[in-house]
Amino acid sequence: GAGVSQSPSNKVTEKGKDVELRCDPISGHTALYWYRQSLGQGLEFLIYFQGNSAPDKSGLPSDRFSAERTGGSVSTLTIQRTQQEDSAVYLCASSLQGGNQPQHFGDGTRLSIL
Amino acid sequence: AQTVTQSQPEMSVQEAETVTLSCTYDTSESDYYLFWYKQPPSRQMILVIRQEAYKQQNATENRFSVNFQKAAKSFSLKISDSQLGDAAMYFCAYRGGGTSYGKLTFGQGTILTVHP
Repeated sequence: GAGVSQSPSNKVTEKGKDVELRCDPISGHTALYWYRQSLGQGLEFLIYFQGNSAPDKSGLPSDRFSAERTGGSVSTLTIQRTQQEDSAVYLCASSLQGGNQPQHFGDGTRLSIL
Repeated sequence: AQTVTQSQPEMSVQEAETVTLSCTYDTSESDYYLFWYKQPPSRQMILVIRQEAYKQQNATENRFSVNFQKAAKSFSLKISDSQLGDAAMYFCAYRGGGTSYGKLTFGQGTILTVHP
């Protein structure tokens, strides 16, 4: 079946603009994760959705970052008033429920802030 | 907080030879899971192998195996009969079974080069 799909693949925007990144998880996966990968910080956890539970937002770096997951499927990560330090690859992953279940990753969105 | 350390920023190996990538982690939890992921230049993270902490037997997936030393908090990856397609960035990752359940904590990564 189809894997995790992320769009757009690349996004270039001006500092101060808002951006939305989209993630379509694997069908049937109840858990969805967002990570950020940058040269200086490596791979960082941002937010985690599991079914109808309240999301774990502990990794969001500031209140400019938010995410939602509609209907337990598609998720959108929104960054408001983008800053140059937001430039990174944003990775989405999904998994079945269970600690030993591997997370399946999308190809990521490369975000560049001018 | 859990931390994962990969002390080898870069490693190289000749095709058909064996290479071992190191990973150590720090945790106070007794129940957790460990993973190795591979990230080629295409950017997609691909699961290589996983290990449940409660299992004493080391996980094996074809040419990939781990040496899991729970007391030493060490989780190394051995790649046998290395192939050109194994060239990639490798990440060690930890997933807790308690309050940190869900998210992965990654190491800094090791770039593996395979020479023909």
